[in-house]
Order: sequence, then structure tokens, then C-alpha cells
Amino acid sequence: TQLLEQSPQFLSIQEGENLTVYCNSSSVFSSLQWYRQEPGEGPVLLVTVVTGGEVKKLKRLTFQFGDARKDSSLHITAAQPGDTGLYLCAGAKGGYQKVTFGIGTKLQVIP
Amino acid sequence: GAGVSQTPSNKVTEKGKYVELRCDPISGHTALYWYRQSLGQGPEFLIYFQGTGAADDSGLPNDRFFAVRPEGSVSTLKIQRTERGDSAVYLCASSLYSGNEQFFGPGTRLTVL
Repeated sequence: TQLLEQSPQFLSIQEGENLTVYCNSSSVFSSLQWYRQEPGEGPVLLVTVVTGGEVKKLKRLTFQFGDARKDSSLHITAAQPGDTGLYLCAGAKGGYQKVTFGIGTKLQVIP
Repeated sequence: GAGVSQTPSNKVTEKGKYVELRCDPISGHTALYWYRQSLGQGPEFLIYFQGTGAADDSGLPNDRFFAVRPEGSVSTLKIQRTERGDSAVYLCASSLYSGNEQFFGPGTRLTVL
């Protein structure tokens, strides 16, 4: 049983399109993190959201933490080929020592 | 400064053999983590070190897996009597202190034939 469910698992879109990927759980987390991972590399942290209802923006990326701190979304505006990669959400409880990852959304942006 | 490095980058071994995977964390980072990422999955927590001691090893799948960090810096993940199901990418991460951002290495791809 996956503690963190991510959807969709695969997404292929044209350059310039907008997209949203989701991370859902039945558990409450003290924080949720979003990472991007490229082939042959480790995940790289994009953002951490801590407060229920929190919205953070990172250039064309907008991250939202659900009010109940069980879910999160990542919205990308005007996707570019450089956005291609595996987007992972990860939840932490009581600190960052043990982070639980979702299965990831594999995004492909076609030029 | 250098990031987290892992050696070897690729390891192919035969079923039943012993392997060691090495992680060099970012200098000065006190916390070190090992994860395993199977094909099509997210990373799965294995073990966390704070300094030299294993603070949480609840993710190790069985007693064939063991990790050490004798001087509080470099860590080695050891797998005895490897099985085909152990094939995965083993990721190491470090953070300045526990609770800080984790920085990941590129991983070691282990293939057990």
C-alpha cells in the first residue's frame, strides 16, 4: 500500500501547455516536499510546504498544500522541455529524518 | 564544494555474492540517509545516521542489509548473499543536521544476476 499516491503517473504534453500533478494521502504530514529527479541522478528538492493551505511559487511552478495537510498539488505554467523529469512528492512526520516518497509523476514536455 | 558522491556508479554481481556501496556525504553534514529506488518507484527509506550511530534502521528489509558510518562521515551499505530482488538504485543523501534539506547523490545502480 502506497502511503502517498501521485497522479497521473505519466504525462506527455506539448511545450507551452499547463499541467497539474497531484499527491494524495490519508495521513497527515508535518510537511510535504516536492523533488525533481532526472535520469541517472538523485532527487533535487524543489520546495517544502509546511502550513495547511500554503501556496508557494517557484518561477513557473506553483505548489499548494491542502488545508488538512494530507495532499498537495504542483502546477506548471507554460511547460518547457527543461521541465521534463520525474516529480516526486515526499511526506515527513515529526521532522525530516524519515521521509516517505510517492511513486512519482513522469513528465515529458515535447518541443 | 563537492556534493554527495557515491561509488561505484554501477555494480553488477551474481546472486549470493557480497557487495559494499560507498557514500561520501557533503563535508560537515552530520546526518546521512540511505534509500533504495526500484524501477518505476520512488525512493524507499532504508536507514538514517546521526553522526556515527544509526538513529533509525527500520527501513532495512532484512538482516542481509547492514550499514556503518564509523567516523561520522563516509558510510558503507553492505549487502550479504545478494538476491535478484536486491537489484535497484541505492541512493545516499546527507543534511547539515537532521531536519534540514537532504542533498542526494547520483546513486549506485546494483544489478544482481
